[in-house]
Amino acid sequence: GAVVSQHPSWVICKSGTSVKIECRSLDFQATTMFWYRQFPKQSLMLMATSNEGSKATYEQGVEKDKFLINHASLTLSTLTVTSAHPEDSSFYICSAKTGQNQYFGPGTRLTVT
Amino acid sequence: AQSVTQLDSQVPVFEEAPVELRCNYSSSVSVYLFWYVQYPNQGLQLLLKYLSGSTLVKGINGFEAEFNKSQTSFHLRKPSVHISDTAEYFCAVSAVGDRGSTLGRLYFGRGTQLTVWP
Repeated sequence: GAVVSQHPSWVICKSGTSVKIECRSLDFQATTMFWYRQFPKQSLMLMATSNEGSKATYEQGVEKDKFLINHASLTLSTLTVTSAHPEDSSFYICSAKTGQNQYFGPGTRLTVT
Repeated sequence: AQSVTQLDSQVPVFEEAPVELRCNYSSSVSVYLFWYVQYPNQGLQLLLKYLSGSTLVKGINGFEAEFNKSQTSFHLRKPSVHISDTAEYFCAVSAVGDRGSTLGRLYFGRGTQLTVWP
């Protein structure tokens, strides 16, 4: 079946630094990828929709200058958390859309100290 | 916009007992419906989905769900659970776009933690 990978699976960074998270569709091409954020014991919150070759569409309340999304190819989207703060600590999950289905990556646990 | 309500945040059951996880949705347009399972510190895995056709949908791991349009529900059921079914379960909806395509954006419920005890 379709596989989506994320790298890294977990990362610890210091406050003020930037962190890049990669999302790859391994065996299919995805014109659309999604980035979600999940707090402990809560649901997934859509942050942005990433379309290959165009600017990402951000959900209301999500700072586009803080969460930079790049969808450079049909198999890769990246999320960069700039100037990270402790409140950005969360579980970030990407998904890739193909046809009627979305396939989710395993998630990236970000801890900002 | 669409919204999803999962009525139970936690459902504890004993092994081999039946279980039902409830999901209701709200939408002004036609929707596709999904159930996902999430194990600790992992991403989401699709259990089953309703796109069209038979309202009773069978998925992986012995789960099934029934779409009830009049009650705007999509409850998930399993006749006999195993300890390995312990996980978080999310119901989600996606609006139906032109020509039946999904618009892609998923709206998730808050999740139901299913805990199976021996």
